[in-house]
Amino acid sequence: DTEVTQTPKHLVMGMTNKKSLKCEQHMGHRAMYWYKQKAKKPPELMFVYSYEKLSINESVPSRFSPECPNSSLLNLHLHALQPEDSALYLCASSQSDGNEQFFGPGTRLTVL
Amino acid sequence: GEDVEQSLFLSVREGDSSVINCTYTDSSSTYLYWYKQEPGAGLQLLTYIFSNMDMKQDQRLTVLLNKKDKHLSLRIADTQTGDSAIYFCAESIIQGAQKLVFGQGTRLTINP
Repeated sequence: DTEVTQTPKHLVMGMTNKKSLKCEQHMGHRAMYWYKQKAKKPPELMFVYSYEKLSINESVPSRFSPECPNSSLLNLHLHALQPEDSALYLCASSQSDGNEQFFGPGTRLTVL
Repeated sequence: GEDVEQSLFLSVREGDSSVINCTYTDSSSTYLYWYKQEPGAGLQLLTYIFSNMDMKQDQRLTVLLNKKDKHLSLRIADTQTGDSAIYFCAESIIQGAQKLVFGQGTRLTINP
């Protein structure tokens, strides 16, 4: 298995909802990442997990809460989001911190 | 600071070569990457180059690195309609963990 999978593909949520994005890889990678990509912009790093520990938080608002339950899984819990949080959320993984990153297809999030 | 710049648009004729240019600012970057993004999709890793290399060739792709000028280019030989996409260059920066800093992306359009 040589890919990063993300679910759901699309998500529409209200500002009072709580939802979660899921990312999975079975390549034995030990670093996983969350990026946010707005339309016509490059991806922006949000979080980095290395060996299941949070190693980078790019000053992301607390309404985004990452979780890495094991080395294959990465979640992003969403609560009380704003319409400006609507974007494509991309997950990536790498063999270890410092190697090339492989991206999933993304979850397109719309906040109403 | 960290800054990666690319021209926003490139249009080429089918069968010609495409050259996408990128400049970066962090001289300590160890790896430089090229990613391809098709509409509605995630990022596909095309190739990368280690900072002590000048050139890397992989089938139709040639990467040139001028470390003195902090200039990176991606040449796609015999450009096909399937090469239409946005191409991002990214520099790798280590700040506790690896961060990728992306350029704005170059939209490549192929004319028949």
